[in-house]
Amino acid sequence: DQQVKQNSPSLSVQEGRISILNCDYTNSMFDYFLWYKKYPAEGPTFLISISSIKDKNEDGRFTVFLNKSAKHLSLHIVPSQPGDSAVYFCAGNRRSRDDKIIFGKGTRLHILP
Amino acid sequence: DTGVSQNPRHKITKRGQNVTFRCDPISEHNRLYWYRQTLGQGPEFLTYFQNEAQLEKSRLLSDRFSAERPKGSFSTLEIQRTEQGDSAMYLCASSSPDRGPSGANVLTFGAGSRLTVL
Repeated sequence: DQQVKQNSPSLSVQEGRISILNCDYTNSMFDYFLWYKKYPAEGPTFLISISSIKDKNEDGRFTVFLNKSAKHLSLHIVPSQPGDSAVYFCAGNRRSRDDKIIFGKGTRLHILP
Repeated sequence: DTGVSQNPRHKITKRGQNVTFRCDPISEHNRLYWYRQTLGQGPEFLTYFQNEAQLEKSRLLSDRFSAERPKGSFSTLEIQRTEQGDSAMYLCASSSPDRGPSGANVLTFGAGSRLTVL
């Protein structure tokens, strides 16, 4: 039972353009959603989060949008930079239940020069 | 604080051997999590502790796996009688009781311990 789905295994974007990473979820009990970024041979690092009662959260070049009716969220990176090349994981947090973090399979983002 | 530390970073073992991984969380974090990641997958929850109490274990954690956090500080994950299917990256993470402005349970991960079972 995959509660958090990232259906695009990889994405290539030109440097300077917008990168849009998508995520769908099936569990309505998530209170928060988080995005993590992972470089090879390192652990995932936290990027940005959004509460389930909000529809947008912005932090510098990163914006996360939440469409609760569609059970869909997206991460926008503008402008994309070479250092953004990494694997991005979408995750849900069931804070009101067991506070676990459940991850999707990830999307590998390649920023092209 | 140097973040979450995991040792060893790499372990190669033969099938049937026992292995143990250690995790040192951020000192003020009371929660400690173990995840497993295989190729092409996201981190899969294994178990977590609040202080020294183990609050939940995933059904992924067979009886060959045991985790401890004896004094509420560092934790160990032991795998007995390793199998080739245990080959994976074992990730440890910790989180603070203070959620900060976001309110989410933000995990800080270590670099992981990669296990290869031959």
